[in-house]
Amino acid sequence: EVQLLESGGGLVQPGGSLRLSCVGSGFSFSSYAMGWVRQAPGKALEWVSLISNSGITPYYADSVKGRFIISRDNSKNTLYLQMNRLGDEDTALYHCARDRRLGEVSNAFDVWGQGTMVTVSS
Amino acid sequence: EIVMTQSPATLSVSPGERATLSCRASQNVRSTLAWYQQKPGQAPRLLIYGASTRATGVPARFSGSGSGTEFTLTISSLQSEDSAVYSCQQYNNWPPTFGQGTKVEIK
Repeated sequence: EVQLLESGGGLVQPGGSLRLSCVGSGFSFSSYAMGWVRQAPGKALEWVSLISNSGITPYYADSVKGRFIISRDNSKNTLYLQMNRLGDEDTALYHCARDRRLGEVSNAFDVWGQGTMVTVSS
Repeated sequence: EIVMTQSPATLSVSPGERATLSCRASQNVRSTLAWYQQKPGQAPRLLIYGASTRATGVPARFSGSGSGTEFTLTISSLQSEDSAVYSCQQYNNWPPTFGQGTKVEIK
């Protein structure tokens, strides 16, 4: 079964940092671009970041550029999101998602994890 | 940034009836449009990509149409398990953007 399982969320103070992880199973992890999509309470889904299948090319939303770093370890089938200088606006459920195009970037996602909650509050 | 506008916000439909959901893009996105279904406590599920292609395992009662700026998701005969929030997403322009969602309720 194809699955994505996120972890690492929690409560963090404004200005703090957090690292999210996402482990993929049931598919060839290194063959797919992977991304993060978040959803603040009562809000629409928001694309955050994506990384190519090789890990060479990262992409970021303007709202997180310079603060978040996406990376992956294909030997561990794991995707990461290092989040720095967190603010209230970053409070959301963070989903890990697989790009549907094998070996390419399309930004349409065919497999999603259930998400890990990040709460930024003092 | 392209703004995706969905209507209506909530749709109440009787079982077996047709549900029609709309999604409008603020600029031309060609056919690079996806639809997702999201149930409470569950991960989003890809239903449609390329505006009209059903994803693997999606029942035939779900269909997508449109191109450019106007798109439609149709559920031909609503089932009780179709109660969910449906979101559209464009992935033609950077950054990819999502609509606010349409909540489908069973009447």
